[in-house]
Amino acid sequence: QKEVEQDPGPLSVPEGAIVSLNCTYSNSAFQYFMWYRQYSRKGPELLMYTYSSGNKEDGRFTAQVDKSSKYISLFIRDSQPSDSATYLCATMDTGRRALTFGSGTRLQVQP
Amino acid sequence: GAVVSQHPSRVICKSGTSVKIECRSLDFQATTMFWYRQFPKQSLMLMATSNEGSKATYEQGVEKDKFLINHASLTLSTLTVTSAHPEDSSFYICSARDFSGAYNEQFFGPGTRLTVL
Repeated sequence: QKEVEQDPGPLSVPEGAIVSLNCTYSNSAFQYFMWYRQYSRKGPELLMYTYSSGNKEDGRFTAQVDKSSKYISLFIRDSQPSDSATYLCATMDTGRRALTFGSGTRLQVQP
Repeated sequence: GAVVSQHPSRVICKSGTSVKIECRSLDFQATTMFWYRQFPKQSLMLMATSNEGSKATYEQGVEKDKFLINHASLTLSTLTVTSAHPEDSSFYICSARDFSGAYNEQFFGPGTRLTVL
């Protein structure tokens, strides 16, 4: 079993839709939870990070972490064609400080 | 955010040759850098953790004699793929950790695409 599981997609939605991206993880030691966006042939860029459980909102993006169920979510409101990319969830434990990534979900927002 | 550069962005080499990839933190000092490998349509897999002034820590299954890592300064880490083979063809991405951030955020380079013929 992978430490972080993520549906690879692809996920295709019309412009303006609400997008829900999800991951599950297995290691209780993970304390930090991140979402990265990666455009084709580019390095990942950090979108959101959350420490422990809870919600965090930044513009059209909302990240949620439920540690009791080991579930991570990213919601994108009013999705735009420019949001088309691969979205990677990642976790980090406080000890090693290395990131463990999910497999990434490819998102396509149709104009 | 902080900027991390990688050079070269793309390299094509013959089987059996060695290739060096540089990772630089441009506006912050990074005592720790990470090297990842990403195959097409797959996620980033951590290869090794590079610590300035000491030996790198390799993940299980990564050959340290094949993937040589040197972190000689606080802003530069290099990955050398020795005796490259076609199966080493991949997208190599580095990241650098900024210790001044709240949770030591990692900033990623743009990646280096290696093709071994």
